[in-house]
Amino acid sequence: AQKITQTQPGMFVQEKEAVTLDCTYDTSDPSYGLFWYKQPSSGEMIFLIYQGSYDQQNATEGRYSLNFQKARKSANLVISASQLGDSAMYFCAMREGNIGNQFYFGTGTSLTVIP
Amino acid sequence: DAGITQSPRHKVTETGTPVTLRCHQTENHRYMYWYRQDPGHGLRLIHYSYGVKDTDKGEVSDGYSVSRSKTEDFLLTLESATSSQTSVYFCAIGTGLQETQYFGPGTRLLVL
Repeated sequence: AQKITQTQPGMFVQEKEAVTLDCTYDTSDPSYGLFWYKQPSSGEMIFLIYQGSYDQQNATEGRYSLNFQKARKSANLVISASQLGDSAMYFCAMREGNIGNQFYFGTGTSLTVIP
Repeated sequence: DAGITQSPRHKVTETGTPVTLRCHQTENHRYMYWYRQDPGHGLRLIHYSYGVKDTDKGEVSDGYSVSRSKTEDFLLTLESATSSQTSVYFCAIGTGLQETQYFGPGTRLLVL
C-alpha cells in the first residue's frame, strides 16, 4: 500500500483565490510527521510546512496552512491568496515513527496559477 | 539556506561505468539522505545515514552504495551504471526538532 497518496496530478487556480491540495497517508505508528514541499520548474525542493501527529492545532506558515484530519488520515495543504509564483509541483511527505526514519513522498500535484 | 551542495550538478556517463555523486553539508547535521526523483514516482529513498559510518538502505537501494567517512560528506556510488539509473538525484539533511529534511540542488544523471 502507498504510504502517501496524492490524487490530484494537476490543479488550476485563479490568482488571488485559495486552493487545497489533497494528501492522504497510511501508517499504524502513532508517532509521525507530515511535510509539504514545493518544487518549482527550476528543480529545487523547498520545505513549506510541518505537522506532527501529536500536534493539536493545524500548522500554518504565512499563506500556507495544513488541514490535518487525523481520523481520516489526511493532511491537505491550503494555499491562500494564490500568486503566480505558486505555480509548481507540490509534494506531501511523511516521516513514520521516530526521528531519523525515512521519509515517504507522494507523487506530487502540479499547480498552475492562472492570471 | 541549509548549506548543502551536490557535485557534479550534471553528468553523462555510459552503461557499465562507476559513478560517484557527492553531497556536502556545512551545518554538521547528523542525518543525511539520498533520493532519486523520477516522473510518476515522486522521490524515493536510496540510502540514508545517521552518523559517520552509519548507513542504512532505503526502498530503492539495489545498484547503489554509500559511504560517510566525515560528518559533512555523504557519497553515493553507482557501482556499474545502468540506463534505469538515469534520474535526478537529491541529497537531503535532517535538521531541527522534527528533523525536517532540507534538500540540495540535485544532480541530473544521464546513463547512455
